Amino acid sequence: TQLLEQSPQFLSIQEGENLTVYCNSSSVFSSLQWYRQEPGEGPVLLVTVVTGGEVKKLKRLTFQFGDARKDSSLHITAAQTGDTGLYLCAGEVGGNKLVFGAGTILRVKS
Amino acid sequence: GAGVSQSPSNKVTEKGKDVELRCDPISGHTALYWYRQSLGQGLEFLIYFQGNSAPDKSGLPSDRFSAERTGGSVSTLTIQRTQQEDSAVYLCASSLTRVEQFFGPGTRLTVL
Repeated sequence: TQLLEQSPQFLSIQEGENLTVYCNSSSVFSSLQWYRQEPGEGPVLLVTVVTGGEVKKLKRLTFQFGDARKDSSLHITAAQTGDTGLYLCAGEVGGNKLVFGAGTILRVKS
Repeated sequence: GAGVSQSPSNKVTEKGKDVELRCDPISGHTALYWYRQSLGQGLEFLIYFQGNSAPDKSGLPSDRFSAERTGGSVSTLTIQRTQQEDSAVYLCASSLTRVEQFFGPGTRLTVL
């Protein structure tokens, strides 16, 4: 069983602070995705990383895929209240399927 | 263009009853996935349809769960003889390329 562990499970910070969310596994993934989910809605894809060591930036969000393609991180600079939500990482496994981590609940206070 | 839609948005049922949940994928998307999300948990894979191929049912938790996809488009997830532990949000996603999935808003199922 390929398991993705996310940490922390819950994060509450002030607006303007920086934060990092981690996604770790003992398995190697073909690609890894990060999603953001708001209450009452489905997850929305933020980014897909494919190459070991890859770094992608999306405005204030920076995503990194580990060299061995087993782990990933999401760093948010100068968090805003609009960043509040559940952040999920998902690794691509065989058969065009994804396995999801349990998620990190982020709350950004004004 | 329209995204993935699901109906109903909320369903309350009594233990032992059958329920049907519907998913309308994005037009032209060949892949369709069903997931279950319990409170505070990640997404649990249930079933995957790809084109006309036989579905991957490896995630269905019991034989009370089944799903169909008609005409390569609309899908229905059926849960028979519902139990309280079936209470969760059921999410549908569709995809055109590899595994980049587009999710619907989900159906919140409550079994009393």
